[in-house]
Amino acid sequence: GQQVMQIPQYQHVQEGEDFTTYCNSSTTLSNIQWYKQRPGGHPVFLIQLVKSGEVKKQKRLTFQFGEAKKNSSLHITATQTTDVGTYFCAGQNQGGKLIFGQGTELSVKP
Amino acid sequence: SAVISQKPSRDICQRGTSLTIQCQVDSQVTMMFWYRQQPGQSLTLIATANQGSEATYESGFVIDKFPISRPNLTFSTLTVSNMSPEDSSIYLCSVAGTLADTQYFGPGTRLTVL
Repeated sequence: GQQVMQIPQYQHVQEGEDFTTYCNSSTTLSNIQWYKQRPGGHPVFLIQLVKSGEVKKQKRLTFQFGEAKKNSSLHITATQTTDVGTYFCAGQNQGGKLIFGQGTELSVKP
Repeated sequence: SAVISQKPSRDICQRGTSLTIQCQVDSQVTMMFWYRQQPGQSLTLIATANQGSEATYESGFVIDKFPISRPNLTFSTLTVSNMSPEDSSIYLCSVAGTLADTQYFGPGTRLTVL
């Protein structure tokens, strides 16, 4: 079945360093959604990418969707302690089902 | 986005018992989903809750174990039946306007089965 692979599983950075997490789907996606889950919290929607090659920015966060609509990345510039949490990508297939990646847990050392 | 609440927020249950989780939305939504998030893991879709008809279950999940109701466009319940420690998870409902729309998640129900 369709799979969405996400790497790395864990990332420990010093505050101020950059962070990137990558997602790769086994099949072409209709869109990809990104969520952030703080420790003890629930997934909170960040952004949805729909178009091939799309790039969107939210302050220090940059999201990219690959040309083939099979991969995506989230890059955080100059991490802060408030960025701590697990970042999930979720690929949506043509049938509408959302397949979540395994998540990348980010810890930031002050 | 819609405001989603879940009850209970957490519970500790004995094996062999059942727990019903409620999901309430402050506005009518077309799509409602139930997910499970096992400790330290990602989210897995259990089923799509269909208003007025039987839920659509994903592979590995069956109605006898996870009966779902959706009596209207703002409310759904998920029952975890005959629980075992392996059912200890966070159970989340999510909503969307259409199948292709962004999904928004409720706060989750943290279930521990002893």
